[in-house]
Amino acid sequence: SQQGEEDPQALSIQEGENATMNCSYKTSINNLQWYRQNSGRGLVHLILIRSNEREKHSGRLRVTLDTSKKSSSLLITASRAADTASYFCATDGGSARQLTFGSGTQLTVLP
Amino acid sequence: IAGITQAPTSQILAAGRRMTLRCTQDMRHNAMYWYRQDLGLGLRLIHYSNTAGTTGKGEVPDGYSVSRANTDDFPLTLASAVPSQTSVYFCASSAGRNQPQHFGDGTRLSIL
Repeated sequence: SQQGEEDPQALSIQEGENATMNCSYKTSINNLQWYRQNSGRGLVHLILIRSNEREKHSGRLRVTLDTSKKSSSLLITASRAADTASYFCATDGGSARQLTFGSGTQLTVLP
Repeated sequence: IAGITQAPTSQILAAGRRMTLRCTQDMRHNAMYWYRQDLGLGLRLIHYSNTAGTTGKGEVPDGYSVSRANTDDFPLTLASAVPSQTSVYFCASSAGRNQPQHFGDGTRLSIL
């Protein structure tokens, strides 16, 4: 079963706009990770936020985590056409170092 | 370039045949994973290995087996393929707890 659920399932924006994707999960976690997947390729790790952190930045990416609401958001600022991809959240909540992935958000950035 | 290598990149297979998907990493990561990705379902964990010599079952292990004879290799075997195993299979590795996973580019498998 999916631990994380992304919202929206699909998002289409113009280049230069900001894109926000949300992730909700069900059980307690050690950390939450965001990944990106370009069409036909494997997943690429973007950012990891630990359960005791509330916000993290990496370049144009900003991730927030609210453990009381069991939710996270990924903000991509000043989006580019090259940001077009699927974005997945994944939660690490067990002792076996396993991740549970959501079903993803398909982001399309129009030039 | 360091990373995960998966082979083959794609395969069409008759139902009932045996198939082994290969995965090799050169990062000396202890943990390795096999996922399948189906449209609308995200990635689901099939099997994992936290260190060489050990393996464990994930969310969808039935019909699959793995082995971890050494640190670098983690093959996935379908003993008798069925059409429901048509999917894209991804191998990943991780250095440890609270570390990201690194993914290969996948094997696209079609079972007819």
